[in-house]
Amino acid sequence: DAKTTQPPSMDCAEGRAANLPCNHSTISGNEYVYWYRQIHSQGPQYIIHGLKNNETNEMASLIITEDRKSSTLILPHATLRDTAVYYCIVGYGNKLVFGAGTILRVKS
Amino acid sequence: DTGVSQNPRHKITKRGQNVTFRCDPISEHNRLYWYRQTLGQGPEFLTYFQNEAQLEKSRLLSDRFSAERPKGSFSTLEIQRTEQGDSAMYLCASSLVLTGGSYEQYFGPGTRLTVT
Repeated sequence: DAKTTQPPSMDCAEGRAANLPCNHSTISGNEYVYWYRQIHSQGPQYIIHGLKNNETNEMASLIITEDRKSSTLILPHATLRDTAVYYCIVGYGNKLVFGAGTILRVKS
Repeated sequence: DTGVSQNPRHKITKRGQNVTFRCDPISEHNRLYWYRQTLGQGPEFLTYFQNEAQLEKSRLLSDRFSAERPKGSFSTLEIQRTEQGDSAMYLCASSLVLTGGSYEQYFGPGTRLTVT
């Protein structure tokens, strides 16, 4: 599976957009970009995934660059409950390979 | 609640004892996965099932570990002769995999194992 690089931590003000970057320069042509998050002491939660086009759902938006070597997860209006570890994963949905992720702290 | 459930939520055992965990996936999901997560690390893949068939096992899954999904519904993960290094959160996930599609995994709350 392709390796991803994420910043170890980020802060965001409550109510503002949180933009979480991910580099995946070795992604192969048909691998997807997945985002999951894990709130303390809970199981990971699926957020969104995409292949080439930008995607949006009720939780977030996913922007994938044209060369597919990086992506950004956008939480449009972050709340305190969005404080979590966010994992960017590339693959086919099977056998997820989690890195260290980004700790997002949303502050009031 | 129709999500993935895991039992027990917490298990404390003495070194050398056997333990068994149960996972009930979302009812129509055909794939079931087991992961292990130690403190401060991301989850690590252990094994997965397509219906009742175990299709892949990580080398992390030593011969003391065995997983089953006998009727393609719930799954059990057994650890024999537990060691202190087995202390971790054991996570189960499930997904509905259709031919040619992409799919997401839905995780349960995990079973936290402490080996004393």
